[in-house]
Amino acid sequence: EDKVVQSPLSLVVHEGDTVTLNCSYEVTNFRSLLWYKQEKKAPTFLFMLTSSGIEKKSGRLSSILDKKELFSILNITATQTGDSAVYLCAVPNAGNNRKLIWGLGTSLAVNP
Amino acid sequence: ETGVTQTPRHLVMGMTNKKSLKCEQHLGHNAMYWYKQSAKKPLELMFVYSLEERVENNSVPSRFSPECPNSSHLFLHLHTLQPEDSALYLCASSTTVTDTQYFGPGTRLTVL
Repeated sequence: EDKVVQSPLSLVVHEGDTVTLNCSYEVTNFRSLLWYKQEKKAPTFLFMLTSSGIEKKSGRLSSILDKKELFSILNITATQTGDSAVYLCAVPNAGNNRKLIWGLGTSLAVNP
Repeated sequence: ETGVTQTPRHLVMGMTNKKSLKCEQHLGHNAMYWYKQSAKKPLELMFVYSLEERVENNSVPSRFSPECPNSSHLFLHLHTLQPEDSALYLCASSTTVTDTQYFGPGTRLTVL
């Protein structure tokens, strides 16, 4: 059965810390992995990763995919209170890109 | 106004009520989705519409009835819901069913 597992489930850090969030997956015919940030209500798209070893970067956020070991990490450097959110990982399942397999998310709290 | 909008943002209804959730996207996308997000559970895909045609229905109870009158609007009609249907209902859209999905703010539904 296809599945996506994120760790840790929750994390509390202080402003300025660097965090690493993990997403491992078991999905047949893997094509891509997506990261979303969910604050209050709506998930907002962060990154789509398709190629192993190529880092995607946006400001203080970066992500990389390891297709051999079947995982991705999301790094946030110099965290700010505005980074507090749930970070979701999703992978389209085999032969059906309409259906995303979602992880439970990592709840990040950044304290001042 | 741009992006994906949803109304209402909050809804409290009794088990015998009939209500509808509305989603509108201003992104020129051709695919729209309804998701259910319950506490401590991954996002659950409910329905997918592509070019106004329903292309996926993930065994959702008949008390949930979707409607897509055009590519910009999506409705979820609710009838005789159960307390366990209380959740955050998210609408998303994408250019095609294989592209990245963008989410609306969600409707927090409480069924008494």
